[in-house]
Amino acid sequence: DADVTQTPRNRITKTGKRIMLECSQTKGHDRMYWYRQDPGLGLRLIYYSFDVKDINKGEISDGYSVSRQAQAKFSLSLESAIPNQTALYFCATSDGREGYTFGSGTRLTVV
Amino acid sequence: AQSVTQLGSHVSVSEGALVLLRCNYSSSVPPYLFWYVQYPNQGLQLLLKYTTGATLVKGINGFEAEFKKSETSFHLTKPSAHMSDAAEYFCAVSRSNDYKLSFGAGTTVTVRA
Repeated sequence: DADVTQTPRNRITKTGKRIMLECSQTKGHDRMYWYRQDPGLGLRLIYYSFDVKDINKGEISDGYSVSRQAQAKFSLSLESAIPNQTALYFCATSDGREGYTFGSGTRLTVV
Repeated sequence: AQSVTQLGSHVSVSEGALVLLRCNYSSSVPPYLFWYVQYPNQGLQLLLKYTTGATLVKGINGFEAEFKKSETSFHLTKPSAHMSDAAEYFCAVSRSNDYKLSFGAGTTVTVRA
C-alpha cells in the first residue's frame, strides 16, 4: 500500500456541485498539506495542517475547505465547483526528518 | 517569504549530454532547498535536498545540485542524460525540512535519442 493514498484518482464533476477529495497516510506524520498543480504554475499550497487541531490557509484557499478527521486523514472540499478549479491535486505529509511524501494525485475536471 | 524561479519551462537534451536545470530562489531566512521529479501520471519524488552543511548535494539517479548563496541559486545537473530522465522537474524552497514548500513553475525535460 502507498504511504499517501488519494481518492479518487480521477473525477469529472459539474459546475456548482460539491466534491470532496480524500487523503490518508500511513507514515504517522503530524503535518499534512493540499497542493494544486496547474501547467506552467507549479504547485501551489491550498491548506495545511500541523496537527488535528491546527488548520491553516495556504496561498490559494478561496473556494476550498478542509477537514482533518484524524492524524492520518485530511480531506479537501470544493463547496461549489467551478471550471477554473480544474487541476491536479496533491496531498502530502511530512515530518522533521524525511521531508515530504506526496500522494499520486487526483485529477479533477469541472465541466 | 520564499519564492522560486526556474529558468526555462522546457529543456531538450541529447542522450548522453549534460542536463542543467536552473533554479534561483529568494528567502528571508536561510533556505532549505529541494528538487523533485514528476514522471507522467505520477506524484512527486524527491531527487535531493539541501539543508545545511556541504553545498554540493548528491541525489538519486546521478543528479546533483550546488547551493550558491552569493548567487541565490540551486541548479540541478546530471553529467549524462538517459532516456528515463524525461520528466518534469520542480525546484522548491522552505524555511525548514518539513515546513510548507514554495515551488517553481517546473521544467519539462525531453531526451533525444
